[in-house]
Amino acid sequence: DVKVTQSSRYLVKRTGEKVFLECVQDMDHENMFWYRQDPGLGLRLIYFSYDVKMKEKGDIPEGYSVSREKKERFSLILESASTNQTSMYLCASSLSGRANTGELFFGEGSRLTVL
Amino acid sequence: AQSVTQPDIHITVSEGASLELRCNYSYGATPYLFWYVQSPGQGLQLLLKYFSGDTLVQGIKGFEAEFKRSQSSFNLRKPSVHWSDAAEYFCAVVPSGGYQKVTFGTGTKLQVIP
Repeated sequence: DVKVTQSSRYLVKRTGEKVFLECVQDMDHENMFWYRQDPGLGLRLIYFSYDVKMKEKGDIPEGYSVSREKKERFSLILESASTNQTSMYLCASSLSGRANTGELFFGEGSRLTVL
Repeated sequence: AQSVTQPDIHITVSEGASLELRCNYSYGATPYLFWYVQSPGQGLQLLLKYFSGDTLVQGIKGFEAEFKRSQSSFNLRKPSVHWSDAAEYFCAVVPSGGYQKVTFGTGTKLQVIP
């Protein structure tokens, strides 16, 4: 069964802390994504990566960075967490090229609270 | 730019009743269309998808959706709702013919009452 695993389901951090959210997929997918989910706003794309060491900004990249050193792993980094980054973070992956239909495979999410 | 509208933020239905969740999109051509479901505290799971062909598509858990080009709609339906269907449902679109960004609707939260 295909799987996207997010390392932390729940995190509580303090303002100004550096936060790492890790995501690993075992489907050999080229594309990986980080979304933020807030009530009434749906899912908003923060960053995505279509290959190792490649990254592209999504709709709301401010305050975030990403790292993709290996194909299966995509990390989201909050350099200095702020209270307005309290949210649910969802990682997803997909195929690329002609096999890509846009279908996304999601992890279970990481709920981050910044105090 | 493409957009997706789910006009109902919250819907309550009785167990056993029928369900229809609305989704409208704005895009120049026919996109690929998806419905995802999110159970509380979980990630999103694909319910069904439409790429081309038959405009009525079947998905998992007894759900179906109908693509209506003239109305730019892709409404999700289920003839008889079960309590376990309580969740949030997201419609999503992707331009066909090449990968571009997935656009999600804002979601519809379904409550099922006994």
